[in-house]
Amino acid sequence: DVKVTQSSRYLVKRTGEKVFLECVQDMDHENMFWYRQDPGLGLRLIYFSYDVKMKEKGDIPEGYSVSREKKERFSLILESASTNQTSMYLCASSWELDQPQHFGDGTRLSIL
Amino acid sequence: SQQGEEDPQALSIQEGENATMNCSYKTSINNLQWYRQNSGRGLVHLILIRSNEREKHSGRLRVTLDTSKKSSSLLITASRAADTASYFCATVSYNNNDMRFGAGTRLTVKP
Repeated sequence: DVKVTQSSRYLVKRTGEKVFLECVQDMDHENMFWYRQDPGLGLRLIYFSYDVKMKEKGDIPEGYSVSREKKERFSLILESASTNQTSMYLCASSWELDQPQHFGDGTRLSIL
Repeated sequence: SQQGEEDPQALSIQEGENATMNCSYKTSINNLQWYRQNSGRGLVHLILIRSNEREKHSGRLRVTLDTSKKSSSLLITASRAADTASYFCATVSYNNNDMRFGAGTRLTVKP
């Protein structure tokens, strides 16, 4: 079974901090994704990556950046955290863009 | 931007009843997928239906797709308390294979 692992289940940070969320997948998937999930808004795509060092903006990239130095690892970076970035963050991976995505269990991030 | 929109937003039924959730979308799709999310966990893929398919089954799940109406439905038969979860449809765009999720239907199955 595909396993997508997110480094933290819960994280509390302060406004202005630089925050790193890490995601690792073990199935050699080409594509990796970062979403945020807020009540009533569903999943919104922040960034995705289709290959090492390649990235594409999703629907809400403002305030975020990403890094993919190795195929199995995709990092989401909040350069200067703000309270409106308090949310559930979900990482996913897939073989092809039109194929099912495999999700991690999420990181619930609180910015105080 | 969201592509699929689920209906209803919330559904509460008794164990043993059937649950039907609907998804409507706006643009041409390559395929449509349904996912399940238990509280506090990630999404789990349930079933994929291609644009040239009309119906698909997997265990107690039945998915239909009507591309002329741009809608899909997920039917869970003989529901169990363990089916309590949020269910999301995701559409894969025909043009660029972008996948977009709806806001989900929260299903509660009472024992």
